[in-house]
Amino acid sequence: DSGVTQTPKHLITATGQRVTLRCSPRSGDLSVYWYQQSLDQGLQFLIQYYNGEERAKGNILERFSAQQFPDLHSELNLSSLELGDSALYFCASSVGGSGNEQFFGPGTRLTVL
Amino acid sequence: GQSLEQPSEVTAVEGAIVQINCTYQTSGFYGLSWYQQHDGGAPTFLSYNALDGLEETGRFSSFLSRSDSYGYLLLQELQMKDSASYFCAVPEGSYGQNFVFGPGTRLSVLP
Repeated sequence: DSGVTQTPKHLITATGQRVTLRCSPRSGDLSVYWYQQSLDQGLQFLIQYYNGEERAKGNILERFSAQQFPDLHSELNLSSLELGDSALYFCASSVGGSGNEQFFGPGTRLTVL
Repeated sequence: GQSLEQPSEVTAVEGAIVQINCTYQTSGFYGLSWYQQHDGGAPTFLSYNALDGLEETGRFSSFLSRSDSYGYLLLQELQMKDSASYFCAVPEGSYGQNFVFGPGTRLSVLP
């Protein structure tokens, strides 16, 4: 158990809908990272927050957004969902912002029908 | 731009030693990390190299050569539970702001 929690574990929704994925980092970690993992794309970095502020942005679509709250938990919002958004979404956390040692949550499996 | 290359599959027997290589091309270099992921599970951090040389953590060791843009993960005394995918990862970009994972190497340990 990494200490990172994610909810929900599974999510099934329809195209065009909007969902919110939630992540609580390990106690003491200030950075939160979001990743998408699909069979054909591998593990893709989406975005990083550090102590409430956006620190880095990767291959995140404009339909996707995230935020980190004062209690350091984070939410990833996915809107106008498409079939291709079906994937595993992982949240990870680290103490600092360098990201060299990240602790991953169990993931949320999103299925878009 | 950035690119990480790893072998797609490696097979070895219990008790053996296996080396998983990773070559990278990045516009900046801020260290090389390794992660293990079992089927259906989350990636788990294994090791990190910022400087050249070998880092040892129990049965696992990781090596880095910055001049060759190359690193490897060495797994010794292989056990069945080591069957998993292994990813190398680098922060990339002008200040290491983009986290890039390699395509992964699937290790199968046979009895």
